[in-house]
Amino acid sequence: AQKITQTQPGMFVQEKEAVTLDCTYDTSDPSYGLFWYKQPSSGEMIFLIYQGSYDQQNATEGRYSLNFQKARKSANLVISASQLGDSAMYFCAMRDDDYKLSFGAGTTVTVRA
Amino acid sequence: DGGITQSPKYLFRKEGQNVTLSCEQNLNHDAMYWYRQDPGQGLRLIYYSQIVNDFQKGDIAEGYSVSREKKESFPLTVTSAQKNPTAFYLCASASGDRAHQPQHFGDGTRLSIL
Repeated sequence: AQKITQTQPGMFVQEKEAVTLDCTYDTSDPSYGLFWYKQPSSGEMIFLIYQGSYDQQNATEGRYSLNFQKARKSANLVISASQLGDSAMYFCAMRDDDYKLSFGAGTTVTVRA
Repeated sequence: DGGITQSPKYLFRKEGQNVTLSCEQNLNHDAMYWYRQDPGQGLRLIYYSQIVNDFQKGDIAEGYSVSREKKESFPLTVTSAQKNPTAFYLCASASGDRAHQPQHFGDGTRLSIL
C-alpha cells in the first residue's frame, strides 16, 4: 500500500512568491516522523525539514515550514519567498519503523523569474 | 568534513557482469541504506543495515547483494540477475538510535548498461 502520496507532479511559482507542496501519508503506527528532501538536477538529496508525530508545533526551518495536520494525515511543505535556486524535485518521506524511509513520487518545482 | 562518499559517479555494466558500487561514511552512523531511483520517480529501498554484520532486504532486493563488514562501509553489488539495472543509486546513513534524525545521502552513482 502506498504510504506517501504526492499528488502534484509539477508546479510553477513566480520568484518571491510562496508555494505549497502537498503530502499525505498512511500509517497505523502512533510514532512516526515526516521528512522533506530537495533533489536538484545534480541528483544529491538535501534534507530540508522534519516533523515528529508527537510534536505540538509545526516545524519551521528558514524559508521552509511544514503544515502538519495529524487528523488528516497531511504534511504539506510551504516554501516562502521562492528563489530561482529552489527549482528542484521535492520529496516527502515517512519513517514509521526500523528507521526505514518511505518516499513519495516527488513534485517538481520550477521557479520563474 | 563528515559525509558520505559514493563511487564511482558513473558506471557502465556489460551484459552478464556483476558490478559493485561503493559507499563509505565517516559520520559514525549505525544504519546505512541503498536506494534505487528511476527517472522522474521516487526512491525505492534495496537493502538496509542497522548494525555491522547484519542487513535486511528492502522492497526491491532481487538481483542485488550487500555486505556490512565495517561500520563505515556498505557496498552494493548489482548482479547479472538484475535485468534492468540502469538507474541512479543513492546510499544513505542515519543515526540508529534516534528516529527523528534524518538520513544523510551521498551524491549517487549513475549505472548504465553498455
